[in-house]
Amino acid sequence: QKEVEQNSGPLSVPEGAIASLNCTYSDRGSQSFFWYRQYSGKSPELIMSIYSNGDKEDGRFTAQLNKASQYVSLLIRDSQPSDSATYLCAVRGGGFKTIFGAGTRLFVKA
Amino acid sequence: DTGVSQDPRHKITKRGQNVTFRCDPISEHNRLYWYRQTLGQGPEFLTYFQNEAQLEKSRLLSDRFSAERPKGSFSTLEIQRTEQGDSAMYLCASLEGGRAATQYFGPGTRLLVL
Repeated sequence: QKEVEQNSGPLSVPEGAIASLNCTYSDRGSQSFFWYRQYSGKSPELIMSIYSNGDKEDGRFTAQLNKASQYVSLLIRDSQPSDSATYLCAVRGGGFKTIFGAGTRLFVKA
Repeated sequence: DTGVSQDPRHKITKRGQNVTFRCDPISEHNRLYWYRQTLGQGPEFLTYFQNEAQLEKSRLLSDRFSAERPKGSFSTLEIQRTEQGDSAMYLCASLEGGRAATQYFGPGTRLLVL
């Protein structure tokens, strides 16, 4: 079992729709959770971080964490073509080692 | 630009040659990470430094890979006797603060082994 699992996609949504991205992790001791966006040929950039169970909203983005289910999600409201990218889920445990999932490719159709 | 720089940005080498990459983190960041990323995959953890101490190294990393951070500032990643399977993007990231702190990535070094 991979430590951080994501559906590779591609996930295709029309412009203006909600895109829902999911991630599960195996280490119950994980404490910090991150969503990164990566455009083709570029390095990852942080979108959201979340540390406590529940929802965290930042603009069009909402991260959701359920530690009991070992599940993290990212919702993108009012999706735009510029949101088309690969979204990486990252999990950090009790130390400082951060493990990334393989990423989900998102396409937003104009 | 996150403030993390990497050099070179691109490297083409022949199989069997040694290569060395450099990462300059954000100046006040005491933690530095190296990752490898291949097409369609997420960044794969290679190693991690706190100041000059290498605290963890991936079991996936063969003895051909070595990393240093001699003065707790910049870091180098060396690959000896390169193989075609080493072709990838090598990413450096740094952070300062607790476990909730954000990692900032450099632009990466793209390696092609012929």
